[in-house]
Amino acid sequence: DAGITQSPRHKVTETGTPVTLRCHQTENHRYMYWYRQDPGHGLRLIHYSYGVKDTDKGEVSDGYSVSRSKTEDFLLTLESATSSQTSVYFCAISERLIANTGELFFGEGSRLTVL
Amino acid sequence: TQLLEQSPQFLSIQEGENLTVYCNSSSVFSSLQWYRQEPGEGPVLLVTVVTGGEVKKLKRLTFQFGDARKDSSLHITAAQPGDTGLYLCAGGRNRDDKIIFGKGTRLHILP
Repeated sequence: DAGITQSPRHKVTETGTPVTLRCHQTENHRYMYWYRQDPGHGLRLIHYSYGVKDTDKGEVSDGYSVSRSKTEDFLLTLESATSSQTSVYFCAISERLIANTGELFFGEGSRLTVL
Repeated sequence: TQLLEQSPQFLSIQEGENLTVYCNSSSVFSSLQWYRQEPGEGPVLLVTVVTGGEVKKLKRLTFQFGDARKDSSLHITAAQPGDTGLYLCAGGRNRDDKIIFGKGTRLHILP
C-alpha cells in the first residue's frame, strides 16, 4: 500500500470555525490532490499540487485553500467552515500525470461534518 | 458540466450474470483509468488505457477504450459478490494536470 496518511479521519465542527486537513505521504511523489466525495457528485477536485509551493485550483476550490511547504505534506484549509462543506475528503498522490499513465493512490479519507 | 458520464448509476444483478458499464465523454482524453472503491476506503486503480481501440483484460474484467478516445467500457463476466463496489472512470488530458472523475456506477452483486 502507498504510504498516505490523512488526519484527522473524522471531525465534527461548527459553522464558521477554521478546519485544516493534513495529507502526509512517504512515497516522494511529485503530485498531490485533494478531492471531495459527495452522493450524486462523485469525486470532485478541490486543489492540486505539482511540486513544493506549486498549487492550482480544481473545479470546486471556493472556500478552500491549500499549502505545500514540503514534498510530503499537503494541507487543505477551510477558513470558515460551512454546512455545504460537510463531505468526505480524499487526498491522492501520483508520481506522473494521469495523462502520462500516472496512477493515483488515495488515502483512506477524512469525514468532515459541519454543524 | 460533467465531462465524464457514467452509466448506469446503479446496477444490481445476480451472481453469475454478465454486465457492462460505460464511461462517455464529448472530450478526447489522452488516457482513461478505471478505479474501484469499497465502502470506507479510497479508490484503487484497476486499469489504465491509452490507445484508441485498446482492450485490456484483468481476470473476468474486460476494459475497452473507444477508437476516438472519448469513451470506455468495463465488462464483467460471471459477476461475483466480491465485485460489489463503486466503479469510477477517470480521464487525463494532455493540456493540463487535472484528473476528471465520472460520478461512478454503484454495482451490487447478489449471491
